[in-house]
Amino acid sequence: GNSVTQMEGPVTLSEEAFLTINCTYTATGYPSLFWYVQYPGEGLQLLLKATKADDKGSNKGFEATYRKETTSFHLEKGSVQVSDSAVYFCALSERTGTASKLTFGTGTRLQVTL
Amino acid sequence: EAGVAQSPRYKIIEKRQSVAFWCNPISGHATLYWYQQILGQGPKLLIQFQNNGVVDDSQLPKDRFSAERLKGVDSTLKIQPAKLEDSAVYLCASSSGGGLASYEQYFGPGTRLTVT
Repeated sequence: GNSVTQMEGPVTLSEEAFLTINCTYTATGYPSLFWYVQYPGEGLQLLLKATKADDKGSNKGFEATYRKETTSFHLEKGSVQVSDSAVYFCALSERTGTASKLTFGTGTRLQVTL
Repeated sequence: EAGVAQSPRYKIIEKRQSVAFWCNPISGHATLYWYQQILGQGPKLLIQFQNNGVVDDSQLPKDRFSAERLKGVDSTLKIQPAKLEDSAVYLCASSSGGGLASYEQYFGPGTRLTVT
């Protein structure tokens, strides 16, 4: 079945540091890939997505490239801020028949300090 | 545009009691999902509705969990009887995508259930 593996956290960085959160996936077909973010006390929000190989998703300074050859979708940001502190979830979605569902990784907590 | 609404936000019950959660999706969204998120884990899909029909409930523990979506809008998820391991956040999400893999799912704030 489908699965998503994320690097374990927590990840602690100083403000303005470079961020990478690794994500690899296993899927039988051609999934769409997503990064969702969960800020403290809030629901999950879509951060970015990519729907086919070599696509790059980007939003709020974050970006991730859909790498089919390495089955990866690593999240990067060049300069993190304290306000980026949250839990980040990598996920894939694949359509089977009339249904599609998200399969999530376990999440990576990011803490950014001054 | 109003987001996905869920209630209650928090619930504490004793084991073997029953509990129900309510979700109101974004207006016009045909697809509705219920997820269970145990502490330290990613959300796991419990059930997916397309309008008022179930399209995937393969991971729903049907001996104790039930869900319905009357008139293709609001949905309720029920647990009866609850077990300690049901303690989790229950997330509702909706999508306009009709099951397409590329469509975004919009999540509600969740209901945090504690079973004692």
